[in-house]
Formats: sequence, C-alpha cells, structure tokens
Amino acid sequence: DAEITQSPRHKITETGRQVTLACHQTWNHNNMFWYRQDLGHGLRLIHYSYGVQDTNKGEVSDGYSVSRSNTEDLPLTLESAASSQTSVYFCASSDGGYQETQYFGPGTRLLVL
Amino acid sequence: GESVGLHLPTLSVQEGDNSIINCAYSNSASDYFIWYKQESGKGPQFIIDIRSNMDKRQGQRVTVLLNKTVKHLSLQIAATQPGDSAVYFCAELNTGNQFYFGTGTSLTVIP
Repeated sequence: DAEITQSPRHKITETGRQVTLACHQTWNHNNMFWYRQDLGHGLRLIHYSYGVQDTNKGEVSDGYSVSRSNTEDLPLTLESAASSQTSVYFCASSDGGYQETQYFGPGTRLLVL
Repeated sequence: GESVGLHLPTLSVQEGDNSIINCAYSNSASDYFIWYKQESGKGPQFIIDIRSNMDKRQGQRVTVLLNKTVKHLSLQIAATQPGDSAVYFCAELNTGNQFYFGTGTSLTVIP
C-alpha cells in the first residue's frame, strides 16, 4: 500500500548541529509539506513543495530549508539547531490542486539540547 | 489575521453517546475545511471535509456542519466509541491556498 514515512522517529541533537529529517511518500503526490506541532499551537507550516525543484516558505521557515530533487522525497534540514526548534515535525503530501486533502506521516520528535 | 480556533479544549463523553466538537474560523473567504483526528504518538488522520458550497456532509458515523453566517464548523460523531478518543483538529484553507490548523480538542470516551 502507498504510504508516507518519516525518519528518524526520534532524534536528540545539540544546539548548533545540522539535522536532516527525512520524508518519503509512495503515492506519487506532487505536493509535499512540512509542519511543526507545539503545545498551544496548531500545526504550523514550515516549507512546502508543489513539485520537483519547487520549494516555498511557510509561516515559520526561519532556520529551516528543504530541497525537492524527486517526487518521493522532501528532506527538512535544520541548518544550526536551536532549542526553540524542539518540536514534533510532521510531513504531509497531497495530490492535484490546492483543495486536496493532505495525508500525514507519523511524525519525528526532535529534542535540541 | 486569520485564525482557526476551538470552543473547548477538552470533551468527555460516555460511550454510545453522540459527540459534538466545534470550531470557529475568522476568514469568511475560506472555502474548504477539513477535520482531522490525531491519536497519541501518531500523525493527523483525515476524517471528513466540506466545501463552502455545502452546509452539511456525512460520512461513516461522522457529520460535519458548516454555518457560514457565523463562521462556525462542527464535527458530530455518532455513537462514540473508545477508539474515538483522540485530539480533533479543524483545518481551514485560507486565501493564500495554505491550510491553517486549530489547536485541537481532546476527546475522551468514558466506557
């Protein structure tokens, strides 16, 4: 069955280190998204992509970057991890136009010490 | 700015009763809404969606109602079961074609 996976599921890192979170989907969806989820906030959009070589900044993009070299993957990189980036990160994908349901991965719990 | 909010952060219901979870939105131009369910330690799972040209949409044991006059969205779960215990989010597609998510309501089903 088609699915969306994230790795690692849990990560502990130190302030200042570069961290990359992987997201892989097998639905052949054009659109992929990265969100972070924190207590007291709804899911907040970090970056998104509408296709290969396309990337866009979301609401909370500072300190994060993404690249889209193929349809299946959208890795999220924290260039220099900060304690404020401790969060749960969710990747999502959708097909077609804007009004399409997003399907979420299981999440990555990141702790920055 | 836009906001998507929930009237109650927690809700407890008896098994077998109906549940109603509410959501308010502020952008009258929003035309697409989704309800998600999130179980502990998992990603959000799509439940049901509704477009602004509809007032009501039904799925299996779930109904979403949209009142555009007061900018209010609700999710009704019939015959609530223990497996329905989770956090429920509404999401609004804004005019920038991005989804904004509410903070969620935690539903607890009492056996």
